[in-house]
Amino acid sequence: GQNIDQPTEMTATEGAIVQINCTYQTSGFNGLFWYQQHAGEAPTFLSYNVLDGLEEKGRFSSFLSRSKGYSYLLLKELQMKDSASYLCAGTDSNYQLIWGAGTKLIIKP
Amino acid sequence: ETGVTQTPRHLVMGMTNKKSLKCEQHLGHNAMYWYKQSAKKPLELMFVYSLEERVENNSVPSRFSPECPNSSHLFLHLHTLQPEDSALYLCASSQDGQHFATNEKLFFGSGTQLSVL
Repeated sequence: GQNIDQPTEMTATEGAIVQINCTYQTSGFNGLFWYQQHAGEAPTFLSYNVLDGLEEKGRFSSFLSRSKGYSYLLLKELQMKDSASYLCAGTDSNYQLIWGAGTKLIIKP
Repeated sequence: ETGVTQTPRHLVMGMTNKKSLKCEQHLGHNAMYWYKQSAKKPLELMFVYSLEERVENNSVPSRFSPECPNSSHLFLHLHTLQPEDSALYLCASSQDGQHFATNEKLFFGSGTQLSVL
């Protein structure tokens, strides 16, 4: 079956760095997305990786290893506003999105 | 502001009621989606419309009935729902639809929080 696994909840300190991991098993693979969702708000696009390696966008970076079926989202210089759920979604051979259950990130002062 | 607006934001209904959820996108996109989001569960795709034609229906119970009158508007008609249907219902849009691109990102609305009593 197809599956996306990510931790349910993580806690980090303001100003620190946190890495949110995601492992995937899909029938074929056509890329991996990360979305951010603040409580009561719309999920918003953060990143898309289809090739191996690290892609950096300001304080946020996303990494992909296709051979390991693994991705992570790296958040640097954490701010209180980064408290949110982070959704990982893989795209299978039919370009269907397979979603993880999301990781709730709690930032403490 | 994502360019996708959903109304109402909250809805409480009894099992015998009929109600409708509305979604409107101002992005000029050709594809629209309904997702169900339950606590601590992955997003569940319910319906996909591309150019106003339904292209996917993921075995959703018939008590959920979608309608897409044009490429900017999407409705989800609800009737005789069950308590387990209580969830956040998210609408999304994308440029052309997932069947046509490999890296098409979705633009979501803020959702309708539905409670079925």
